[in-house]
Amino acid sequence: GAGVSQSPSNKVTEKGKDVELRCDPISGHTALYWYRQSLGQGLEFLIYFQGNSAPDKSGLPSDRFSAERTGGSVSTLTIQRTQQEDSAVYLCASSLSPGGARYNEQFFGPGTRLTVL
Amino acid sequence: GENVEQHPSTLSVQEGDSAVIKCTYSDSASNYFPWYKQELGKRPQLIIDIRSNVGEKKDQRIAVTLNKTAKHFSLHITETQPEDSAVYFCAAFKDYKLSFGAGTTVTVRA
Repeated sequence: GAGVSQSPSNKVTEKGKDVELRCDPISGHTALYWYRQSLGQGLEFLIYFQGNSAPDKSGLPSDRFSAERTGGSVSTLTIQRTQQEDSAVYLCASSLSPGGARYNEQFFGPGTRLTVL
Repeated sequence: GENVEQHPSTLSVQEGDSAVIKCTYSDSASNYFPWYKQELGKRPQLIIDIRSNVGEKKDQRIAVTLNKTAKHFSLHITETQPEDSAVYFCAAFKDYKLSFGAGTTVTVRA
């Protein structure tokens, strides 16, 4: 079946512009995560969506970052007034509901490489 | 929050030798520890995992050990092959969140 997909695969933008990154999770996966991977760094948690619950936005680095998930499926990560330090690979992952102590594997998308000039 | 540290950051091994990557975590409530492999330009993929009530798990040439008391866990790759060259990430899971280590770049020399 289809895995997690993300678009665009690459995005080059000028400092100060807004960008939108899209994630299509695996069908039936109620949990969706966004991560940021800077060069040579690990995966930094940004935001978590689970069903219709309020998202955990605790990882968003500033108020220029926002995300939404429409209809419990597709998610969009928006970065306003981009800065050069926003340059990174943005990864999306989805999983079955992780409820409590139960871990369900997170499946990652291919990522969007964002370059802010 | 959870803090995961991973060492070494880079590791070069001769083909056929073993590779060991070590991670420590801070939150004793973390209960699941997956390892992801990320090849250049590809997405991270789960290669092995271990639950907090298990001390060791093996899958062919890969094994993971967990010491809950010391809050550290390790990945062991035996008989390394060129296709093992990649970045490896450890992670600790609690509630719904994964906290990742910074990654280890493994290079297998032919």
